[in-house]
Amino acid sequence: EAGVAQSPRYKIIEKRQSVAFWCNPISGHATLYWYQQILGQGPKLLIQFQNNGVVDDSQLPKDRFSAERLKGVDSTLKIQPAKLEDSAVYLCASSRGLAGVQGNEQFFGPGTRLTVL
Amino acid sequence: GESVGLHLPTLSVQEGDNSIINCAYSNSASDYFIWYKQESGKGPQFIIDIRSNMDKRQGQRVTVLLNKTVKHLSLQIAATQPGDSAVYFCAEIPAPDNAGNMLTFGGGTRLMVKP
Repeated sequence: EAGVAQSPRYKIIEKRQSVAFWCNPISGHATLYWYQQILGQGPKLLIQFQNNGVVDDSQLPKDRFSAERLKGVDSTLKIQPAKLEDSAVYLCASSRGLAGVQGNEQFFGPGTRLTVL
Repeated sequence: GESVGLHLPTLSVQEGDNSIINCAYSNSASDYFIWYKQESGKGPQFIIDIRSNMDKRQGQRVTVLLNKTVKHLSLQIAATQPGDSAVYFCAEIPAPDNAGNMLTFGGGTRLMVKP
């Protein structure tokens, strides 16, 4: 079974520029998550999709971050404009269904490391 | 705000010894707990989970203990191997009726295994 795919793996931009990350979840997984992981910290959930609908985006800085999962499969996360504090690893994860149910474990991709200069 | 945290940021053990990684949580409404392992340059990997109606669950070489009285979670790794070297995170999910079932991660403990 192929894992969660993310691209690019690394991205360096200057502040105020825009950037987009792409995620392809495990086939058949209805739930997709985007996390932000700042160096030395645990991942923080930004947004959670169930199929093509948003389940929770309460921690997404909506003034600059946006995400979509139009066809309920792959997803993109965009930052516009980027700030220095956005430097982090952006992780995508997927699961069969909503978290909290045994059997719905989240599988994580390798992440995209973003550096904002 | 309520959060999940860890007592020890770094744990160094000898190969073959048992490891114990601890985690304190403050949200008494948390219903489901998960331990993740994260190796350098990779995403977190599920290790084992436990629901709040249990106090112990065993996997292959790993055991998770849950003490709801003191809101404490631990991960025990038997016969620690060099491949166990990684950062370990505990994570929690509130009761299932909470919208979104958001997973909240703690800050992580780095496990270093000495050969």
